[in-house]
Amino acid sequence: GENVEQHPSTLSVQEGDSAVIKCTYSDSASNYFPWYKQELGKRPQLIIDIRSNVGEKKDQRIAVTLNKTAKHFSLHITETQPEDSAVYFCAAKGGSNYKLTFGKGTLLTVNP
Amino acid sequence: SAVISQKPSRDICQRGTSLTIQCQVDSQVTMMFWYRQQPGQSLTLIATANQGSEATYESGFVIDKFPISRPNLTFSTLTVSNMSPEDSSIYLCSVETRGAGNTGELFFGEGSRLTVL
Repeated sequence: GENVEQHPSTLSVQEGDSAVIKCTYSDSASNYFPWYKQELGKRPQLIIDIRSNVGEKKDQRIAVTLNKTAKHFSLHITETQPEDSAVYFCAAKGGSNYKLTFGKGTLLTVNP
Repeated sequence: SAVISQKPSRDICQRGTSLTIQCQVDSQVTMMFWYRQQPGQSLTLIATANQGSEATYESGFVIDKFPISRPNLTFSTLTVSNMSPEDSSIYLCSVETRGAGNTGELFFGEGSRLTVL
């Protein structure tokens, strides 16, 4: 089955800096890669996603890149703000598998 | 999008008892998913609940421990049976919605936080 690795497990940045979280996946047939943000005590919420026919997608301060050849995708957050502090999960789905497989998560702390 | 209501939101249970978690969605969905999130951990799929058929369980999860019902397209229940402290976790219901040209986004309920003493 699919295996998703996520790094780093924790990331601390200063407000205004950029943050990058990286994930790799194992199933070359995967074609959908969402990112979820989970604030403390809250449900995971989709913040951005990318499909395998696209190399990059941007939504304001958030961008995701996908390298299908290398089977990795990354989340980029620019001009970080304290409210960006949360756990971020990457996930992968596709091929013969209808299920989302999640990475282990990255705890992002943005220091004011 | 989908609005998902889960209850209870939290509970404290005694070892050996069972608890049923309910999940209600504001629209009809084909598949509903039940996830477990242990403290500080990622999301692990327990099973997929399809209306009118048996749930499909992931490796490491069995029907006797986590029986699931799916009586209609908007509702599902997950029971955690014969609980032990290791079952202390957040249990999340989720659904996938599909729009035009959309593979499907996964939406989560608020979760049910179980503590087993």
